Amino acid sequence: GNSVTQMEGPVTLSEEAFLTINCTYTATGYPSLFWYVQYPGEGLQLLLKATKADDKGSNKGFEATYRKETTSFHLEKGSVQVSDSAVYFCALYTGTASKLTFGTGTRLQVTL
Amino acid sequence: GAGVSQSPSNKVTEKGKDVELRCDPISGHTALYWYRQSLGQGLEFLIYFQGNSAPDKSGLPSDRFSAERTGGSVSTLTIQRTQQEDSAVYLCASSPTSGRAYEQYFGPGTRLTVT
Repeated sequence: GNSVTQMEGPVTLSEEAFLTINCTYTATGYPSLFWYVQYPGEGLQLLLKATKADDKGSNKGFEATYRKETTSFHLEKGSVQVSDSAVYFCALYTGTASKLTFGTGTRLQVTL
Repeated sequence: GAGVSQSPSNKVTEKGKDVELRCDPISGHTALYWYRQSLGQGLEFLIYFQGNSAPDKSGLPSDRFSAERTGGSVSTLTIQRTQQEDSAVYLCASSPTSGRAYEQYFGPGTRLTVT
């Protein structure tokens, strides 16, 4: 079956540090890949997506590249801010079932 | 416009009691999903509705769990004879069509605590 593996958190960084959150997946077929973010007290929001190999999704300074050869979709940001503190979820969708498969989430805490 | 809303936001219940969780999707969204977020378990798919029918119930963990959707809008997730392992945050999401399932808009969730 489909699965998503994320690096465990929490990840604690100082403001302006470089962020990487690793995500790898296992899927049949050719999945679309996503990063969702959950800010404190809020619902999940789609952060970025990539629908085919080598696509790069980007939003709010975050980027992730769909790497089919390594089955990865790592999230990166060059300079994090305190306001980026949240839980980040990697997810995939294969279209054979109308549902998303999520990783366990990675909590990011950014300090001044 | 209004997003997905869920009620109650928090629910504490005693083991063995039944609970109902409600989801109001975004107006006009035909697809609706229920997920469960348990500590350290990520988001676990429960059930998917397209209109009022549920073509995928594969994620419901036991026959104590059921869900319905009426009028192509509001959905209710019912848990009978609650157990402590049912404690989790229950999330609802809606999307415009099933073919764009990744465009899911999530509600804030209902935190269920079974004592």
